[in-house]
Amino acid sequence: QSALTQPASMSGSPGQSITISCTGTGSDIGSRNLVSWYQQYPGTVPKLIIYAVTRRPSGVSDRFSGSKSGNTASLTISGLQAEDEADYYCCSYGGSSTFHVFGTGTKVTVL
Amino acid sequence: EAQLVESGGDLVQPGRSLRLSCVASGFTFYDYAMHWVRQAPGKGLEWVSGVTWDSAYIAYADSVRGRFTVSRDNAKNSLFLQMSSLKAEDTALYYCSYGDYHSFQIWGQGTMVTVSS
Repeated sequence: QSALTQPASMSGSPGQSITISCTGTGSDIGSRNLVSWYQQYPGTVPKLIIYAVTRRPSGVSDRFSGSKSGNTASLTISGLQAEDEADYYCCSYGGSSTFHVFGTGTKVTVL
Repeated sequence: EAQLVESGGDLVQPGRSLRLSCVASGFTFYDYAMHWVRQAPGKGLEWVSGVTWDSAYIAYADSVRGRFTVSRDNAKNSLFLQMSSLKAEDTALYYCSYGDYHSFQIWGQGTMVTVSS
């Protein structure tokens, strides 16, 4: 049950796009289309922004999109805005014996 | 509106036990698997434990297996986490959560557990 690997930090200028990677194994990300992504501002509860690899909950901006290839999932933030500055976590479901594992987290800075 | 309210967090000494509770409202509790997720101060999210709607499947993170026990009472819309042999590294904000497609869509506000002598 090792944590999924994410870059510790990423940055971009307003209007740019950034893509956060999340690398797991064939037992978690690679085995099921059940990757989710969360946005968290300091001192607040995490917010679900992507589930089932590509789906967005109602009310989440379409500037957020998800994808997966093999054992790596990705979150793309398009048209970066100041309000996107936050921590982002991926999570994958690994089956009925291990359930879930989170990523190490990525701090996004808008320059 | 779906709501989760955690309670039971406290300051405890290493080696002691603590029981967390999570009361659900605004949704059909027995339709969902429920989970505990924690976040140590200044650190990332860590999935701790989960239980299916019927308690048929239960799983734990390696870091707590053998020390923590999750349970639920569907009649009382409640989720529990019995924590024993607590360690300093268990210090964290503990959230209960659930969601569709094995995601965590709804979160409580969390309850703080501090393990220190």
